[in-house]
Amino acid sequence: RKEVEQDPGPFNVPEGATVAFNCTYSNSASQSFFWYRQDCRKEPKLLMSVYSSGNEDGRFTAQLNRASQYISLLIRDSKLSDSATYLCVVRRRQAGTALIFGKGTTLSVSS
Amino acid sequence: EPEVTQTPSHQVTQMGQEVILRCVPISNHLYFYWYRQILGQKVEFLVSFYNNEISEKSEIFDDQFSVERPDGSNFTLKIRSTKLEDSAMYFCASMPEGLGYTFGSGTRLTVV
Repeated sequence: RKEVEQDPGPFNVPEGATVAFNCTYSNSASQSFFWYRQDCRKEPKLLMSVYSSGNEDGRFTAQLNRASQYISLLIRDSKLSDSATYLCVVRRRQAGTALIFGKGTTLSVSS
Repeated sequence: EPEVTQTPSHQVTQMGQEVILRCVPISNHLYFYWYRQILGQKVEFLVSFYNNEISEKSEIFDDQFSVERPDGSNFTLKIRSTKLEDSAMYFCASMPEGLGYTFGSGTRLTVV
């Protein structure tokens, strides 16, 4: 079983739509959770950390369910500029240790 | 905003040759990393470096690979005897204590 699994998509949505991405992780000892964004042939960029209580950053909401080992990302009011690949990322242990990436979910927002 | 700088942006090398990928991390960061991404695949951890030594490495990081921080600013990844399957995007990253990573823009390595 892959350590971090995501639906690869692609998700094709119109501008203004709400879209949700899901991710599961297999290692119950994982400590930290993130969503990264990656544009084509570019480096990953941190979108947001994910906390057990859930957290929101503008149009983006992340949720974590440790019991189910499940992470989600909700994007409201999609913009053309949201088109990218969204990477679910887990860190196994304390800060400084390796990040484990999912393969990513591709989002395409059209006008 | 401080950046992690990687050079070259693209390197083409012949199979069997050695390559050195270079990175200049952000100056006050303490942790340094190399990741790779084969085209169409996920980003994979190679190695982390802290306090002038390797702190963690993956099963990918075998004897073919080595890292160095030869001076106070550069962080290099050496790949010996390159193979076709080493073709990938290689990302350097750095991190201050306890906070998030900053990735460089990557070096695209093509082995022919």
